[in-house]
Amino acid sequence: DSGVTQTPKHLITATGQRVTLRCSPRSGDLSVYWYQQSLDQGLQFLIQYYNGEERAKGNILERFSAQQFPDLHSELNLSSLELGDSALYFCASSALGGTTNTGELFFGEGSRLTVL
Amino acid sequence: AQSVSQHNHHVILSEAASLELGCNYSYGGTVNLFWYVQYPGQHLQLLLKYFSGDPLVKGIKGFEAEFIKSKFSFNLRKPSVQWSDTAEYFCAVEDQAGTALIFGKGTTLSVSS
Repeated sequence: DSGVTQTPKHLITATGQRVTLRCSPRSGDLSVYWYQQSLDQGLQFLIQYYNGEERAKGNILERFSAQQFPDLHSELNLSSLELGDSALYFCASSALGGTTNTGELFFGEGSRLTVL
Repeated sequence: AQSVSQHNHHVILSEAASLELGCNYSYGGTVNLFWYVQYPGQHLQLLLKYFSGDPLVKGIKGFEAEFIKSKFSFNLRKPSVQWSDTAEYFCAVEDQAGTALIFGKGTTLSVSS
């Protein structure tokens, strides 16, 4: 158990819909990262938050947004869903703003999104 | 942008065989490198990391990796694999801003007993 909790584990929805994925980081970790894993693209970095503020952006679509709340949990909002958004969405946390100090991200088990 | 290439998509080995998984990264400056593993049904976890110093890095479960700067490579090795090493292996490089890890597409290792 990494200490990172993601809900829901599985989600099936239709094209055009909107979903919210939730992540609770390890106790004490200030940073949350979101990654998308698909068969053809592998693990793609989407976005990072540190202590409530957006810190870095990766390949995140404009239809996607995220936020980190005062209690440090984070939500990833995916809207106007397309078939190609079907993927495993991982959340990871680390103690500090970057990865340099420990080099270790702690990953959750992921939320599998299926868009039909 | 930085990128990571893992050459082998799927590797199949018998128990006790030696393993080497290739990883190449694109950035030529100072790099921090990682190997993560994802066992079936489990979360990604760190196998080993390289920041500086001895280019031969030892990790958990008998894995090691060698950083070769001139080849932009960070290959993962294990002298003798076990059935329990069946998993997906990801190589990653820290981005230049030190804010995220850039992952390769992963290599699936299947070990038969």
